[in-house]
Amino acid sequence: DSGVTQTPKHLITATGQRVTLRCSPRSGDLSVYWYQQSLDQGLQFLIQYYNGEERAKGNILERFSAQQFPDLHSELNLSSLELGDSALYFCASSVGTNRDPPYGYTFGSGTRLTVV
Amino acid sequence: GQQLNQSPQSMFIQEGEDVSMNCTSSSIFNTWLWYKQDPGEGPVLLIALYKAGELTSNGRLTAQFGITRKDSFLNISASIPSDVGIYFCAGSGGTSYGKLTFGQGTILTVHP
Repeated sequence: DSGVTQTPKHLITATGQRVTLRCSPRSGDLSVYWYQQSLDQGLQFLIQYYNGEERAKGNILERFSAQQFPDLHSELNLSSLELGDSALYFCASSVGTNRDPPYGYTFGSGTRLTVV
Repeated sequence: GQQLNQSPQSMFIQEGEDVSMNCTSSSIFNTWLWYKQDPGEGPVLLIALYKAGELTSNGRLTAQFGITRKDSFLNISASIPSDVGIYFCAGSGGTSYGKLTFGQGTILTVHP
């Protein structure tokens, strides 16, 4: 158990639908990162939050959004789902902010999203 | 944007053999990391490198941060069946701190 909790583990939904993925960071970690892992794209950074604020944005589609709540858990919302959105979505957490090196960068076990 | 080229894409080796994989980048990174991912799990950090030229070991694993800060390699000595998995290099720093840029991964298969 990495200490980063992601729910649900698996999600099957239809095209056009909207889903919410949830992540609870390790105790004490303030930063949350979301990554998408697909077969053809590898691990792609989507977005980072630190203590409730968005800090960095990657190749995140406009149909996707995220937020970090006061209790530091984060949610990734995916809407108007397409077949190509099928992937593993990972959350990671770390103590730090925007500094290098990324100490204690720990991944959760992921949510496998299948869009049919 | 920043991209990492990781090679080889896959390796099939016999138990006991040594393994080497590497990553190169067109951009400079301030931190290089190596992760291993087992099926159904998230990547787990193996080794972190913070200084150009740094050579770091973790048991049978050895990794180096290239002098140019644009490359890194990972060596696994005397491989065992539980080394099977996908190995990723990742870089951090430069234009965006905190976020990691990942290589495409090396799939390692170890035959007993």
